[in-house]
Amino acid sequence: SYELTQPPSVSVSPGQTARITCYGDELPNQFAYWYQQKSGQAPVLLIYKDNQRPSGIPERFSGSSSGTTVTLTISGVQAEDEADYHCQSSDSSAAWVFGGGTKLTVL
Amino acid sequence: EVQLVESGGGLVQPGGSLRLSCLASGFTFSNYGVHWIRQAPGKGLEYVSAISENGTSTFYADSVRGRFTISRDNSKNTLHLQMSSLRPDDTAMYYCVLSGLYWGQGTLVTVSS
Repeated sequence: SYELTQPPSVSVSPGQTARITCYGDELPNQFAYWYQQKSGQAPVLLIYKDNQRPSGIPERFSGSSSGTTVTLTISGVQAEDEADYHCQSSDSSAAWVFGGGTKLTVL
Repeated sequence: EVQLVESGGGLVQPGGSLRLSCLASGFTFSNYGVHWIRQAPGKGLEYVSAISENGTSTFYADSVRGRFTISRDNSKNTLHLQMSSLRPDDTAMYYCVLSGLYWGQGTLVTVSS
């Protein structure tokens, strides 16, 4: 079955830039989506269609795509950005597939 | 305002059944496909099932196919997930999701003896 691969954890100091990657063979052919999930809460959509931000999402969150890897970039990381981040895409049958999630720690 | 409110979770013994519901409001429910996504404690997100706008097309993850049945009642703006032959590894928070943008608060299913 199709898999998306994320690093289990990323650490960054406040004010620095965090980059979270997601690898998948089908990513050149399918859009990627990113969700933020804080402890005890439902996920929130951060990025859709590789690099689009829904209304209300701060500009410091951005997405990019290059071949089989998509990247979520958080510029000027704040303490409140500490959360789990999940990438999502689709397989050839349009079923959603999620990465394993990345825990962002703000040092 | 779009709202998705799940209900029906609880503690059930292995082999038992449970029916989850999701009441939608704030949008034209019959115009959208909807999804069930679950998250086991401390784990990542797993796509469970989906149903098309009119209910004629459905999807199931391999892990639940043959045990779970998704359905919808557009006259009542409600999505259902009938779960049977439940196993301990079905223990998870179950979320009702619209387009990835709107998520319910989740309903917890615990399968344990």
